[in-house]
Amino acid sequence: QVQLQESGPGLVKPSETLSLTCAVSGYSISSGYYWGWIRQPPGKGLEWIANVYHSGSTYYNPSLKSRVTMSVDTSNNKFSLKLRSVTAADTAVYYCARRAGSHYYSEFDYWGQGILVTVSS
Amino acid sequence: QSVLTQPPSASGAPGQRVTISCSGSSSNIGRNTVSWYQQLPGTAPKLLISRNIQRPSGVPDRFSGSKSGTSASLAISGLQSEDETYYYCASWDDSLNGQVFGGGTKVTVL
Repeated sequence: QVQLQESGPGLVKPSETLSLTCAVSGYSISSGYYWGWIRQPPGKGLEWIANVYHSGSTYYNPSLKSRVTMSVDTSNNKFSLKLRSVTAADTAVYYCARRAGSHYYSEFDYWGQGILVTVSS
Repeated sequence: QSVLTQPPSASGAPGQRVTISCSGSSSNIGRNTVSWYQQLPGTAPKLLISRNIQRPSGVPDRFSGSKSGTSASLAISGLQSEDETYYYCASWDDSLNGQVFGGGTKVTVL
C-alpha cells in the first residue's frame, strides 16, 4: 500500500522559506509517476503548487513559480518543497500526493494526511 | 477564481440523485481527462473518479462520472447522509502547463 507522509515546521515567519518533505513508502519514486504538492488555505479550495517526475523534471503553478522549488531524492524515496518569501496568504494545509505519469491522465491517486503550516511572526 | 467552474452547492434528499457540473475550456477538459475528489472534514481529498469515468477500487458504484466537450459531471445516485461533504474536479491545462482544480461543491443531504 502506497503511503505518503508530510513533515516540516508548522510555523514559519513572514519573509522566510517554507520547507516541507514528503516521505513515500510502499512504492519506489524512481519507478515512475509524478509527485506533487497541493495546498488548501483554511476554509478554501484546493490549489496545485508543483509536480516533479522521478527524473527531476518539474512543473510549477505559474502564480507561484517565482517562489517555488521542488526536488526529488530517489535514494531516500522522498521529495521536497521550498516556498520562499512567505506571507500570511501562504498559510494552508499542504498535501503531498502521487500523480499519474502523464498530463492526459492527471489524477492524484494517493495523498498524504496533510500538514498545517501557519505563517506568522 | 478557479480555472474550472463548479457550483458552490448542491443538495438532494436521501435516495435521490445529485449531479455536480465542472466547466472548463479547450485547453483543459477539452483535451485532457477529468478526475473527481471527495473531501471529508479534516481529511485529505480522496480520489473518487479518474479518467472521466473510472472508479478506483472501493468507490461505490453510486458515484459516476461523465465528460462531454469542455464540461464534466459527477453524479451521486441513491444519496446517503455520509455523502454530505465537499467535491472537487481537476484536470491538466495545456496552456497553463499545470494542474487546475474546480472551486469545490458542498453537497448537502436534506
